[in-house]
Amino acid sequence: QVQLQESGPGLVKPSETLSLICTVSGGSISSYYWSWIRQPPGKGLEWIGYIYYTGSTNYNPSLKSRVTMSVDTSKNQFSLKLTSVTAADTAVYYCARGHNGYDPRRGYYYYYMDVWGKGTTVTVSS
Amino acid sequence: SYELTQPPSVSVSPGQTARITCSGDALPKQYAYWYQQKPGQAPVLVIYKDSERPSGIPERFSGSSSGTTVTLTISGVQAEDEADYYCHSPDSSATYVFGTGTKVTVL
Repeated sequence: QVQLQESGPGLVKPSETLSLICTVSGGSISSYYWSWIRQPPGKGLEWIGYIYYTGSTNYNPSLKSRVTMSVDTSKNQFSLKLTSVTAADTAVYYCARGHNGYDPRRGYYYYYMDVWGKGTTVTVSS
Repeated sequence: SYELTQPPSVSVSPGQTARITCSGDALPKQYAYWYQQKPGQAPVLVIYKDSERPSGIPERFSGSSSGTTVTLTISGVQAEDEADYYCHSPDSSATYVFGTGTKVTVL
């Protein structure tokens, strides 16, 4: 059974860089897409982006200028860096495993996340 | 930016049927996915590719699509189904967006 665990500082100062790691256990990081999603307190979900195990990425345009994702297959981990944080970046951050492909029956691409970490709370405050 | 619109809340009595809609202009050409989130927990995938159900998800959860609206239906609602539900789908440039979320209350 694949499990994901987020880790990183729970408190980040404004203007600094938020750095999180997601460790994948019970399965290989290869052949899947890996996402980051966040949820501000009392609000809805926001998709941050995903990275394929080869390193190719797809970021939310609203965050693209500040986001970097990377993957370390030797450690079965992937990571998120978000620069120049403000209080608006305070949220629970989730990592998730994604399935990405093309369905020829409908002619659609698909992407869905079937395994999620429990989430980690990051507060931006001085 | 692209938006997926859901009703803020749906209330239903146990055993009845709950229907949650999600509207978006790109939905006629994209699959939609549904996630259930209970308080203090991570989201759980309940429907993918509009209407397919992951293993372990009860049969009372079903999905459908018609034009610019997709619908999550919970038949025979149980108390444990009380949660927030989010649709998820991309816009035409593969930017994935979550819906505004719907709180399902079991009366």
